[in-house]
Amino acid sequence: EAGVAQSPRYKIIEKRQSVAFWCNPISGHATLYWYQQILGQGPKLLIQFQNNGVVDDSQLPKDRFSAERLKGVDSTLKIQPAKLEDSAVYLCASSLGQLSANYGYTFGSGTRLTVV
Amino acid sequence: AQKITQTQPGMFVQEKEAVTLDCTYDTSDPSYGLFWYKQPSSGEMIFLIYQGSYDQQNATEGRYSLNFQKARKSANLVISASQLGDSAMYFCAMSPSYNTDKLIFGTGTRLQVFP
Repeated sequence: EAGVAQSPRYKIIEKRQSVAFWCNPISGHATLYWYQQILGQGPKLLIQFQNNGVVDDSQLPKDRFSAERLKGVDSTLKIQPAKLEDSAVYLCASSLGQLSANYGYTFGSGTRLTVV
Repeated sequence: AQKITQTQPGMFVQEKEAVTLDCTYDTSDPSYGLFWYKQPSSGEMIFLIYQGSYDQQNATEGRYSLNFQKARKSANLVISASQLGDSAMYFCAMSPSYNTDKLIFGTGTRLQVFP
């Protein structure tokens, strides 16, 4: 089966600009996650969708970050305006649903964002 | 609050030898899950192994085993017969009971396997 697709692979923007990332999960996976991985740290959950509803967005900086999952399939994550500290890899992952994460998410290859 | 601690920033191991990567966790939940993921230089996170807090036996998946010591709150990953392709970052993670699909990651250990 096809994996989790993310684009773009790399992005360089200036601070205060906006940027959007796209994720296409594995077909049939109800749960979609966006994680932020800052250099030298482990990934941190930003937002979790179950179909097109938000399950957990407690660590999403809502003043600048937004995410949506239209029709319960693809998702976009947007940052507006970007700050230097947003430089990170943004990982998208998907799973079948509740408790299926025990069998492991499937992660995409990530989008590496550099804010200058 | 739940927390994962990985105290080894880097580890070296010779090919075909076994290596243990340390992980301790902090939680007051009776129910939780523990995971190990591998992150090669290409960037994707690859699921390796899972251990539930109520599981009586240590989890094993091929050359990977999880040494689960509940009283000590440790969940060390043991890789047997290391291969050059095992060189990567390794992350320990935990899922809390309030959201069993959320993963809380440690800072990772970089493993380098040499011939």
